[in-house]
Amino acid sequence: ILNVEQSPQSLHVQEGDSTNFTCSFPSSNFYALHWYRWETAKSPEALFVMTLNGDEKKKGRISATLNTKEGYSYLYIKGSQPEDSATYLCAFRGGSEKLVFGKGTKLTVNP
Amino acid sequence: DTEVTQTPKHLVMGMTNKKSLKCEQHMGHRAMYWYKQKAKKPPELMFVYSYEKLSINESVPSRFSPECPNSSLLNLHLHALQPEDSALYLCASSQGPQSSNQPQHFGDGTRLSIL
Repeated sequence: ILNVEQSPQSLHVQEGDSTNFTCSFPSSNFYALHWYRWETAKSPEALFVMTLNGDEKKKGRISATLNTKEGYSYLYIKGSQPEDSATYLCAFRGGSEKLVFGKGTKLTVNP
Repeated sequence: DTEVTQTPKHLVMGMTNKKSLKCEQHMGHRAMYWYKQKAKKPPELMFVYSYEKLSINESVPSRFSPECPNSSLLNLHLHALQPEDSALYLCASSQGPQSSNQPQHFGDGTRLSIL
């Protein structure tokens, strides 16, 4: 059984704070690591798909890093805004088409 | 606005009813997916269609029957569901099953309640 763990489960920060959360996944048979942002009552939105060890990707104030040898990825948000409030999901892809999702980190940014 | 359209948005049905969930995309994607998501849990894969053929069935009970009539459409036929099947059903698509660096595009989901 593939295990994808995310921490923390939830996080409350003040507007302007920078924050980060973790996704850990199996270090064998790695194909890709996906990050999605899921706002309430909307569809999950893709942030990044990372495939190479040492990859770093950036989209505005959000960035992510990848370590496939030790099986973890970090998502960073710089200068959090209330509109960043959402659940952030990571998903591991191994040798098949299947994505295995973590439970997510629920971020609340207080104004 | 999502490029993957799911209908209906909400569905309430009895355990003896037959209904269908529909999903449509016009991005030319060749892989389509059904997920089930219960409260406080991650989305769980149910089925994958690649080039309109069923490629993954995650041991889903036969009361859920997927269908892919063409490359743009994906249906999920429901019959004799149980109360524990109440959940959010998400559809997704991606460019192709072997494109490991491509994201999945999700619909807004159908919120299903079984009475």
